[in-house]
Amino acid sequence: AQKITQTQPGMFVQEKEAVTLDCTYDTSDPSYGLFWYKQPSSGEMIFLIYQGSYDQQNATEGRYSLNFQKARKSANLVISASQLGDSAMYFCAMRGGFDIPNTGNQFYFGTGTSLTVIP
Amino acid sequence: DSGVTQTPKHLITATGQRVTLRCSPRSGDLSVYWYQQSLDQGLQFLIQYYNGEERAKGNILERFSAQQFPDLHSELNLSSLELGDSALYFCASSVESRGREAFFGQGTRLTVV
Repeated sequence: AQKITQTQPGMFVQEKEAVTLDCTYDTSDPSYGLFWYKQPSSGEMIFLIYQGSYDQQNATEGRYSLNFQKARKSANLVISASQLGDSAMYFCAMRGGFDIPNTGNQFYFGTGTSLTVIP
Repeated sequence: DSGVTQTPKHLITATGQRVTLRCSPRSGDLSVYWYQQSLDQGLQFLIQYYNGEERAKGNILERFSAQQFPDLHSELNLSSLELGDSALYFCASSVESRGREAFFGQGTRLTVV
């Protein structure tokens, strides 16, 4: 079974500071992908960053970076230089089954972390 | 703009009724996923289609059904609606069944009264 755990229901960060959102996962798939999505109050799900299980380097996308520790099964999102527009729910997700042809590979989501950026 | 289009954005209907939610995937994406997001259940996977065929099924009720058409758009049919079906329904698409990225539509907010 695949499982994503986000243990921080809510986080606060000062504007311009960095913040780390925690995510741990559990899977028996040898090949999988880890994702972070942002959901602002408008409700849409915005793709932020992706990390493949075989990627040698941690993924970065602008102010977002993913701190991937495979042995610990963690995939924490780091947001640098927080902005007021970063206030939103953040979801960690995982997809597996990449090496099994003709099988489904749905996303498994964590429960999310609500981030509030304080001016 | 993710390129995934969902209609309608909002839907209010009465218990016992039937509704159809529509999703147009990004151009070139063959795989479509449906998710339900409610306050108490989080994001729940419902069903996945790949190039017109059902590929995976999650926690989808028997009252719900879906299909993907030859032009790759997908519809989620919800029938005999109950108050507890009120939720945000998302469609996502990806380029292939095992593609790395999936982009979500803006969702359809369903309210059952």
